[in-house]
Amino acid sequence: DGGITQSPKYLFRKEGQNVTLSCEQNLNHDAMYWYRQDPGQGLRLIYYSQIVNDFQKGDIAEGYSVSREKKESFPLTVTSAQKNPTAFYLCASSGGGQSPLHFGNGTRLTVT
Amino acid sequence: GDSVTQMEGPVTLSEEAFLTINCTYTATGYPSLFWYVQYPGEGLQLLLKATKADDKGSNKGFEATYRKETTSFHLEKGSVQVSDSAVYFCALSDWNDYKLSFGAGTTVTVRA
Repeated sequence: DGGITQSPKYLFRKEGQNVTLSCEQNLNHDAMYWYRQDPGQGLRLIYYSQIVNDFQKGDIAEGYSVSREKKESFPLTVTSAQKNPTAFYLCASSGGGQSPLHFGNGTRLTVT
Repeated sequence: GDSVTQMEGPVTLSEEAFLTINCTYTATGYPSLFWYVQYPGEGLQLLLKATKADDKGSNKGFEATYRKETTSFHLEKGSVQVSDSAVYFCALSDWNDYKLSFGAGTTVTVRA
């Protein structure tokens, strides 16, 4: 079955460490996205990529970095510069335009 | 910019009650409108969508009609079940944009 795989489901890190969240899709979608979800705040866009080797900042890109070297993969690195990294991170993909987004099951990151 | 405002929760209902979640939007172009649902500990799933004015999206007993005159896309279900307990997100995608704008989400709890 086609879908989006995010790993791991839970991730724990110490403050000051960078951490990379994995996102892989086998839907052959061109566009991929990273969202952050905090209680009561809905989803906020971190980065998105419409095509391989190209990506754009979303609304809250500071303290995050991404790469898009392969169509299937869009890893997100949470750097030590991100002031409040503890959150639920969701990866999504779409066929582009106004196609619906398909979401992974998320990674819950806890930084202490 | 584009934005979505949806009714604040939490909403608590008894089984077989009628559910309405209000959603209004602001957009400069001709958006597509979506409702997504998030069950505990999971990512978001597309519930229904509408791509032009007066379209009605429906799925699993839920319905929403794209009302351009009132810029609304309210979600309704005539008889809810305990399994409908989830967080519901209204979202829009403008005609020239790959990104989705999400509302803050409404938590719905259905009691037996």
